[in-house]
Amino acid sequence: DAKTTQPTSMDCAEGRAANLPCNHSTISGNEYVYWYRQIHSQGPQYIIHGLKNNETNEMASLIITEDRKSSTLILPHATLRDTAVYYCIVLISSGSARQLTFGSGTQLTVLP
Amino acid sequence: SQTIHQWPATLVQPVGSPLSLECTVEGTSNPNLYWYRQAAGRGLQLLFYSVGIGQISSEVPQNLSASRPQDRQFILSSKKLLLSDSGFYLCAWSVQGLGNQPQHFGDGTRLSIL
Repeated sequence: DAKTTQPTSMDCAEGRAANLPCNHSTISGNEYVYWYRQIHSQGPQYIIHGLKNNETNEMASLIITEDRKSSTLILPHATLRDTAVYYCIVLISSGSARQLTFGSGTQLTVLP
Repeated sequence: SQTIHQWPATLVQPVGSPLSLECTVEGTSNPNLYWYRQAAGRGLQLLFYSVGIGQISSEVPQNLSASRPQDRQFILSSKKLLLSDSGFYLCAWSVQGLGNQPQHFGDGTRLSIL
């Protein structure tokens, strides 16, 4: 599975958009980009995933560059409850069970 | 909608005692099920996964075992706990057969061995 690189930490003002970048320059054609977040002492929470096209759900938007070497997770209106460690993961699609491997992630702090 | 339940939320056990952690999933059938451990300041380590009743794959040799007695029930066990078994244990599920479907996690069990 491709390696990802994320900034260690970011701050965002409450109510503003939070844009979290992720580099995955070695991604292959059949690998998906997944985003999870983990609030301290809780289980990881799935946010969104995509292959090529931009994706949007009730939580966030995922923007994937045309060459697929990087992506950005956008939380459109960050709240204090969005403070968490955000993980970008690249994982090949297959029919079998797969292990998720989290890197260091980005600590997002939403400031009041 | 689908939900996943883990219990207990926290557990303190003496070295050498047995362990049983339970995970159940509701709202879906025949899911893939996973047990992970997350040590403090570290990433996730996959311990076991299951694609069906009675089918368990072990990723890391250790003194832990897993069982899937029912379609949506996954149990993590040990006969004798070690100090190194301390950690945050997470159960997860995913839709079987669709490789790009995400894994969804429970709230975890924080296990402390004394």
